Amino acid sequence: AQTVTQSQPEMSVQEAETVTLSCTYDTSESDYYLFWYKQPPSRQMILVIRQEAYKQQNATENRFSVNFQKAAKSFSLKISDSQLGDAAMYFCAYKGYVAKIIFGKGTRLHILP
Amino acid sequence: DGGITQSPKYLFRKEGQNVTLSCEQNLNHDAMYWYRQDPGQGLRLIYYSQIVNDFQKGDIAEGYSVSREKKESFPLTVTSAQKNPTAFYLCASSSDGTNEKLFFGSGTQLSVL
Repeated sequence: AQTVTQSQPEMSVQEAETVTLSCTYDTSESDYYLFWYKQPPSRQMILVIRQEAYKQQNATENRFSVNFQKAAKSFSLKISDSQLGDAAMYFCAYKGYVAKIIFGKGTRLHILP
Repeated sequence: DGGITQSPKYLFRKEGQNVTLSCEQNLNHDAMYWYRQDPGQGLRLIYYSQIVNDFQKGDIAEGYSVSREKKESFPLTVTSAQKNPTAFYLCASSSDGTNEKLFFGSGTQLSVL
């Protein structure tokens, strides 16, 4: 069975600095999708970024980018120029051949003014 | 506007009572999901459905039941067999059940009286 592990329960970063959140996963599938979701205090889940495993190029969305290492089964999220609005829980998620989508336990990100 | 509607926002359950959480989507999505979130925890999959009249157990299905009689609707019943039902419940959908991102509802907070 697939698993998703986020080893950093909490992190802090100074406003305007860069922070990287870690995610590793375990799978025997060759084609899959990886996601980072953000959950602010409102608890509404928001998609941050998505990566298809067959694409070698790392996905980017404005200040958010990923470092996807397929062989190492690693999928980290880099947030550049951190802003106060980035404070949230961040979840890494995996979707394989079937519709089932599994999530890691999350990393709580604090932004220090 | 297209989206996912969960109701009610807050729900209270008495001992021995079954309660049903509503989830409706007008996005014409095939796949729908139910997740449970405990404080400080990630999202755990309860049930998912790829098409009408079909659904699959997730990782924590015991004490829960679902139905998928219409494409738009995927209600979740928390039965009296679920001994620790207090949690935040999130419903989600995706367009083809294989490679698309999840769209989430705003959640239902269930508490035990």
